[in-house]
Amino acid sequence: KNEVEQSPQNLTAQEGEFITINCSYSVGISALHWLQQHPGGGIVSLFMLSSGKKKHGRLIATINIQEKHSSLHITASHPRDSAVYICAVKATSGSRLTFGEGTQLTVNP
Amino acid sequence: DARVTQTPRHKVTEMGQEVTMRCQPILGHNTVFWYRQTMMQGLELLAYFRNRAPLDDSGMPKDRFSAEMPDATLATLKIQPSEPRDSAVYFCASGFRGYEQYFGPGTRLTVT
Repeated sequence: KNEVEQSPQNLTAQEGEFITINCSYSVGISALHWLQQHPGGGIVSLFMLSSGKKKHGRLIATINIQEKHSSLHITASHPRDSAVYICAVKATSGSRLTFGEGTQLTVNP
Repeated sequence: DARVTQTPRHKVTEMGQEVTMRCQPILGHNTVFWYRQTMMQGLELLAYFRNRAPLDDSGMPKDRFSAEMPDATLATLKIQPSEPRDSAVYFCASGFRGYEQYFGPGTRLTVT
């Protein structure tokens, strides 16, 4: 069992739909990251959070430390949101990140 | 607009050759990470440095890979000798005191 598991692996949505990507982890963490990787390959950090909820534009990230679970929500999805979304956790000690396998999101017009 | 830079962006080499990848972290960041991404394994950490000292290189094959930070503005990852299974995209990322990591554009390595 991977330390970080994401669901779903693939997600296809219509433009305008509300999207949720889930991440569960099994280790004690000090922070969780949500990353976005576009088809060109570049990786962008969307959020780093250790508790509660963060919002940036149409993106919302939540984390429940007790349940070891985080969600990434996209409201009013758009084709430009099509990308791979990767969850990564930072263990309680050190700075190394452990990555989930990613969720491939495709938003159709 | 501060960003992490990596060179080269693409490298094609023959098996057995030495490969050197370079990374310039964002000025002021004290932590540098090297990651490798393949279709099979996804993203995985190879090594990371804090204040130029290696803290964790357990993800790196020691017999052929080496990572160094000659100074605060340069991190290098070397593979000698390279093998076809090393073909991947290698990302460098930098951060400060365990906060957000900023990724470079990656070096796409192909070993034939």
